[in-house]
Amino acid sequence: DQQVKQNSPSLSVQEGRISILNCDYTNSMFDYFLWYKKYPAEGPTFLISISSIKDKNEDGRFTVFLNKSAKHLSLHIVPSQPGDSAVYFCAASENNNDMRFGAGTRLTVKP
Amino acid sequence: NAGVTQTPKFQVLKTGQSMTLQCAQDMNHNSMYWYRQDPGMGLRLIYYSASEGTTDKGEVPNGYNVSRLNKREFSLRLESAAPSQTSVYFCASSADWRSPLHFGNGTRLTVT
Repeated sequence: DQQVKQNSPSLSVQEGRISILNCDYTNSMFDYFLWYKKYPAEGPTFLISISSIKDKNEDGRFTVFLNKSAKHLSLHIVPSQPGDSAVYFCAASENNNDMRFGAGTRLTVKP
Repeated sequence: NAGVTQTPKFQVLKTGQSMTLQCAQDMNHNSMYWYRQDPGMGLRLIYYSASEGTTDKGEVPNGYNVSRLNKREFSLRLESAAPSQTSVYFCASSADWRSPLHFGNGTRLTVT
């Protein structure tokens, strides 16, 4: 039973526009959320995180929003660049090491 | 900086064969993890080690064993490989349970 769900397998956006990647979770005990980015033939790399006491965290072009009541988080990338083309994974954990990942969304940014 | 190093990068096994995937980190991290990645399933946690001397089951532990050899090394063993274990395996480490994971580049395993 997947506790973290990314329902869009792929997303295509134009360079310079906003990319919005979505993630839903079912476990209300999750209190730490992260986004990872993965290029082919490499391991995922950490992008940005948010704890449940916040509803927004920003780092440069990347912003993560958390809506606890809806059990939903999203990653906004503004402006999108061709180098952002990758697979993005949403992840979540309770207050332990058991971190669960979504299935990933492949983002393509077209020049 | 090497970060997290996994060996081998590729492996082909026949059903019933055994093998050990090796993982080492040089970041002095306390926690280490093994995940598998399958199409449409994302990354699924097999086992993790919160600290040296401890190991715990994750979401999909059946068919696997792990050893936290020391603080640096965390190995994953398949005693009797099955075609369902064909996957890409990622090792990761983190300073603690509240820190982001650092991943290796993966081991692509095929079981025929």
